Amino acid sequence: ETGVTQSPTHLIKTRGQQVTLRCSSQSGHNTVSWYQQALGQGPQFIFQYYREEENGRGNFPPRFSGLQFPNYSSELNVNALELDDSALYLCASSRDSTGPQDGYTFGSGTRLTVV
Amino acid sequence: AQSVTQPDIHITVSEGASLELRCNYSYGATPYLFWYVQSPGQGLQLLLKYFSGDTLVQGIKGFEAEFKRSQSSFNLRKPSVHWSDAAEYFCAVGARGGGNKLTFGTGTQLKVEL
Repeated sequence: ETGVTQSPTHLIKTRGQQVTLRCSSQSGHNTVSWYQQALGQGPQFIFQYYREEENGRGNFPPRFSGLQFPNYSSELNVNALELDDSALYLCASSRDSTGPQDGYTFGSGTRLTVV
Repeated sequence: AQSVTQPDIHITVSEGASLELRCNYSYGATPYLFWYVQSPGQGLQLLLKYFSGDTLVQGIKGFEAEFKRSQSSFNLRKPSVHWSDAAEYFCAVGARGGGNKLTFGTGTQLKVEL
């Protein structure tokens, strides 16, 4: 069984640019959540996608957006990058959207640096 | 709103010593509770989870945690720490009945002295 894979592993962007991060969910999982982990902090929930629809959102501005595809993979898009967007972005997949009772399988993350 | 507090930012223990990492949560009902471990440059690995039933939960790598409703706590324990346990540990709470997010604490960095 393959785990959650994220790409790229690292990238550097300039303030004001746009970025797309990608995530392939674990086999058998249909729900994808995205988290932002700033340095020295715990992960913070950005949003979740289930059946290609946004299914819950944390306290992040609209310039954070996402997509989920029919194969359950997902993208996180961030527009108008700010320096504070520098963080590790984690993708997590799970079997369904009814609750976190199964726990989530996390990918290794994408380290985004905004300069 | 749910929240998690991990009071210890850093903990250092000697290899072979016992370990307890503290976690306190705030939630209006019985939550889902999790402990994750993160090694440098890596994602989060699930150690154990609590949903209901027996309040003492066994996890991977010899870890266990005890849910204490009266203290709103879910402390992680290991009887004998190995050098490979050095990592950052996160406690997380999830809401029941909808609300699909996990809320994480700020983490405890564990250092193991040989």
